[in-house]
Amino acid sequence: DQQVKQNSPSLSVQEGRISILNCDYTNSMFDYFLWYKKYPAEGPTFLISISSIKDKNEDGRFTVFLNKSAKHLSLHIVPSQPGDSAVYFCAASGPNTGNQFYFGTGTSLTVIP
Amino acid sequence: DVKVTQSSRYLVKRTGEKVFLECVQDMDHENMFWYRQDPGLGLRLIYFSYDVKMKEKGDIPEGYSVSREKKERFSLILESASTNQTSMYLCASSLVERNSNQPQHFGDGTRLSIL
Repeated sequence: DQQVKQNSPSLSVQEGRISILNCDYTNSMFDYFLWYKKYPAEGPTFLISISSIKDKNEDGRFTVFLNKSAKHLSLHIVPSQPGDSAVYFCAASGPNTGNQFYFGTGTSLTVIP
Repeated sequence: DVKVTQSSRYLVKRTGEKVFLECVQDMDHENMFWYRQDPGLGLRLIYFSYDVKMKEKGDIPEGYSVSREKKERFSLILESASTNQTSMYLCASSLVERNSNQPQHFGDGTRLSIL
């Protein structure tokens, strides 16, 4: 049973515009959420995280928003750049997951120059 | 910077062979993980280890085993490789800190093909 879901397999955005990637989760005990970026033939790279005590965390062009009541998080990239084209995975963990992270299926972002 | 090194980027093996995938991390992390990534399925956890000689099954352990004899090294073993084990294999490690969450750091992956 998929505890973390990314319902959009792909997304295309014009360069300079905002990219919004979405993620939903089912386990209300999750308290730590992360986004990873993955280029082909490379491993995922940690991008940004948020703990459940916050609803927003910002790092440069990347902002993660957490809506605990909706069990939803999103990653905003502003402005989008062609180098942002990659697969983005969200992941979650909690005190009852025993060091384990649960990953979504990924969203492939294409930023069009 | 954390460095997680997987011994091979590409590997081709035959059905029935015993296959070893090696992973080494250089940051003294307690936790190490093995995932496989398949299109449309995301990252699925095979096994993880939270200490030397300790291991826990993940979501898809069937057909795999692991070994952690030293803290820095975590090996994934395909006991008798089958074609449905053709996949991208990713190793990760993470630090355990008492009062803060820590992300996992990944290696570059091993693209394994079983013929």
